[in-house]
Amino acid sequence: QLHLRESGPGLVKPSETLSLTCTVSGDSLSSFRYYWGWIRQPPGKGLEWIGSIYYSGITYYSPPLVSRATISVDTSKDQFSLRLNSVTAADTAVYYCARQARGDGDLAFDYWGQGTLVTVSS
Amino acid sequence: DIEMTQSPATLSVSLGESTTLSCRASQSVGRKLAWYQQKPGQAPRLLISGASTRATGIPARFSGGGSGTEFILTISSLQSEDYAVYYCQQYHTWPLLTFGGGTKVEIK
Repeated sequence: QLHLRESGPGLVKPSETLSLTCTVSGDSLSSFRYYWGWIRQPPGKGLEWIGSIYYSGITYYSPPLVSRATISVDTSKDQFSLRLNSVTAADTAVYYCARQARGDGDLAFDYWGQGTLVTVSS
Repeated sequence: DIEMTQSPATLSVSLGESTTLSCRASQSVGRKLAWYQQKPGQAPRLLISGASTRATGIPARFSGGGSGTEFILTISSLQSEDYAVYYCQQYHTWPLLTFGGGTKVEIK
């Protein structure tokens, strides 16, 4: 059974960098069949895709966040990470990591972590 | 960018009734559309991909349809566990992905 778990600080100061890690268990992150993505959800609002990464390190980002977001992967630890710099209160959200299908034209997110709330506040 | 518009924002439905949720794309996404269910305090769960293919373990009372710019999610015979927020997401423009704003299905 695949399991994803987000970890990282729950509180970040404005202008600083948000850093989160997603640990994958129950399957290998090094599969050609999947991308691995980050999605966020501000309190009471909808879902926003941040970006995705392939195990080889190829990354894809949402245009509004491309200048501030960096996603990286460590296949030896079955982990992938998100860094978002110069955060403001607008970056306060529940951050989810998720597995994204990569076959037969399907790119849906089929497994999700439970999410972690990150609050940006001084 | 493709915008995804879901309607209505809220649906009030009685237990056992059927209901249909709508998702409209600002331009054609073919059948590259997924539906997710999210309950309070939980992560989203994939229901449907490819506009109409149910994900593993999803009950048959959930069905998806449509193509191009108009999509629907039908829930037949609503169960108590179906009250949730439902999101559509297009992946036609990968590597750009967009979600709809969601439809909340509440108890009538």
